[in-house]
Amino acid sequence: DSGVTQTPKHLITATGQRVTLRCSPRSGDLSVYWYQQSLDQGLQFLIQYYNGEERAKGNILERFSAQQFPDLHSELNLSSLELGDSALYFCASSVDRISYEQYFGPGTRLTVT
Amino acid sequence: DAKTTQPPSMDCAEGRAANLPCNHSTISGNEYVYWYRQIHSQGPQYIIHGLKNNETNEMASLIITEDRKSSTLILPHATLRDTAVYYCIVRVGDGGYQKVTFGTGTKLQVIP
Repeated sequence: DSGVTQTPKHLITATGQRVTLRCSPRSGDLSVYWYQQSLDQGLQFLIQYYNGEERAKGNILERFSAQQFPDLHSELNLSSLELGDSALYFCASSVDRISYEQYFGPGTRLTVT
Repeated sequence: DAKTTQPPSMDCAEGRAANLPCNHSTISGNEYVYWYRQIHSQGPQYIIHGLKNNETNEMASLIITEDRKSSTLILPHATLRDTAVYYCIVRVGDGGYQKVTFGTGTKLQVIP
């Protein structure tokens, strides 16, 4: 158990819909990272937040957005969903903004039908 | 950003050492090498990282060549639970920002 929690575990929704994925980092960790893992593209970094501020952006689509709240939990919002958005979404956390000892959550499996 | 190259798959007998290679020939002087693994569809797990010197922890050893263009992750006594995809990652980013790129990794199969 990494100490990072993600909800929900599974999510099934239809194309065009909007969903919110939630992540609670390990106690004391200030950085939160979001990743997408699909069958054809592997594990891709989406975005990082550090202490409430966006710190780094990767291959995140404009239809996707994220935020980190004062209690340090984070949410990833996915809108106008397409079939290709079906994937595992992982959240990870680390103590500071540049640590690579990232601790990953169990993931949310999103299925878009 | 430095890229990494890993063999797509490897087998290792249970109890033997597993040596997983990684090529990162374009690595720059201030970039670290990190290893993660992912068991089935679980979240990736941090294993070890290093800059120049060899590193060892309770999970594995990391051997980095003198020119830093390649490295090897060593699992000294592989068990069936070490069957996973192993990712070699080179640090990118600047000014406190970081971007992590996971390649396709090496699928390690530990055989009884």
